[in-house]
Amino acid sequence: GQSLEQPSEVTAVEGAIVQINCTYQTSGFYGLSWYQQHDGGAPTFLSYNGLDGLEETGRFSSFLSRSDSYGYLLLQELQMKDSASYFCAVSSGGSYIPTFGRGTSLIVHP
Amino acid sequence: DVKVTQSSRYLVKRTGEKVFLECVQDMDHENMFWYRQDPGLGLRLIYFSYDVKMKEKGDIPEGYSVSREKKERFSLILESASTNQTSMYLCASSLPQNSYEQYFGPGTRLTVT
Repeated sequence: GQSLEQPSEVTAVEGAIVQINCTYQTSGFYGLSWYQQHDGGAPTFLSYNGLDGLEETGRFSSFLSRSDSYGYLLLQELQMKDSASYFCAVSSGGSYIPTFGRGTSLIVHP
Repeated sequence: DVKVTQSSRYLVKRTGEKVFLECVQDMDHENMFWYRQDPGLGLRLIYFSYDVKMKEKGDIPEGYSVSREKKERFSLILESASTNQTSMYLCASSLPQNSYEQYFGPGTRLTVT
């Protein structure tokens, strides 16, 4: 089967950098994606890594190491509005349909 | 602006009732999905559809069925609602080649009493 592990909660201060880790176990791995969900809101797609390395989109970056079955989401210059839940999701087994992790609640303090 | 809409934001039903949750997308996406989200459990896939009248079971299909008669519309049906189906239900859509990039609706908070 599949499993994903990510921390349940991360706290940081405004302006800081935070890294949310995700480790996975699966067969037939295709890639790792990240979603953001604010309280009461819909999940929104942030990024997808199909290859090893770092993908940068503005203040957010996502990294993948296929050999280590590991990835992370890096958020720079944290803002209060970044307080949200962040989900990693793995696509594998003949389909790009993601299987979601349990989510990490990011709390940004002033 | 791309949009996925769900018929109700909040719904309260009684045990044993038949419940219909509707989802409509305006992006001409082939793929549509139904998830439920519970605290601490993330999003779990109930059913998905990759074309009109086609459906596939996800990870937790028991107690649910789906219908896709038109490309833009995907319905989730609870044949006989039970209290353990109290949850947030999220609909999503995607292009077939980019299933990892899904567009979600606002969700329906269903309470079964």
